[in-house]
Amino acid sequence: DSGVTQTPKHLITATGQRVTLRCSPRSGDLSVYWYQQSLDQGLQFLIQYYNGEERAKGNILERFSAQQFPDLHSELNLSSLELGDSALYFCASSVEGTGEKLFFGSGTQLSVL
Amino acid sequence: DQQVKQNSPSLSVQEGRISILNCDYTNSMFDYFLWYKKYPAEGPTFLISISSIKDKNEDGRFTVFLNKSAKHLSLHIVPSQPGDSAVYFCAASARGGNSNSGYALNFGKGTSLLVTP
Repeated sequence: DSGVTQTPKHLITATGQRVTLRCSPRSGDLSVYWYQQSLDQGLQFLIQYYNGEERAKGNILERFSAQQFPDLHSELNLSSLELGDSALYFCASSVEGTGEKLFFGSGTQLSVL
Repeated sequence: DQQVKQNSPSLSVQEGRISILNCDYTNSMFDYFLWYKKYPAEGPTFLISISSIKDKNEDGRFTVFLNKSAKHLSLHIVPSQPGDSAVYFCAASARGGNSNSGYALNFGKGTSLLVTP
């Protein structure tokens, strides 16, 4: 158990809809990262937060947004969903958010039908 | 652009033999390298790492080698066991924050290792 909690584990929705993925980092970790894993793709970095502030952006679409709350949990919002958004979404956390090792949650499997 | 590349999608090794997984990177600002292991329906778990000031790091059956001039690293598993069967991801970061993704880890696409009895 990594200590990172992601909910829900599975999500099935339709095109055009909006969903919210939730992540609770390990106790004491200030930084949260979101990654997307599509079929035949590695882990694509989406966005990083540190202590409530956005620190870095990766290949995140404009239809996607995220935030980190004062209690350090994070939410990833995906809107106007398309078939191609179907993927495994991972949240990870780390203490300082300065390139050290990450601890990953078990992921949310999103299926857009 | 894929800054971390794992060119072998899969590898099959007999139990007891050595498994060698390879990884190449393109960004010379990367100074910290990690290997993660992933089982189905689970998140990646940290396996071993190496800083750019070293060329080798060992932890039990796992050894990571870094060749900075070639921008290449490899993970050796000796001896390989059936429980090692998983997808292995290579990752790299620039701890100075000097990469397109800031401090985030950049991952390869993974190599699926199968260890047969």
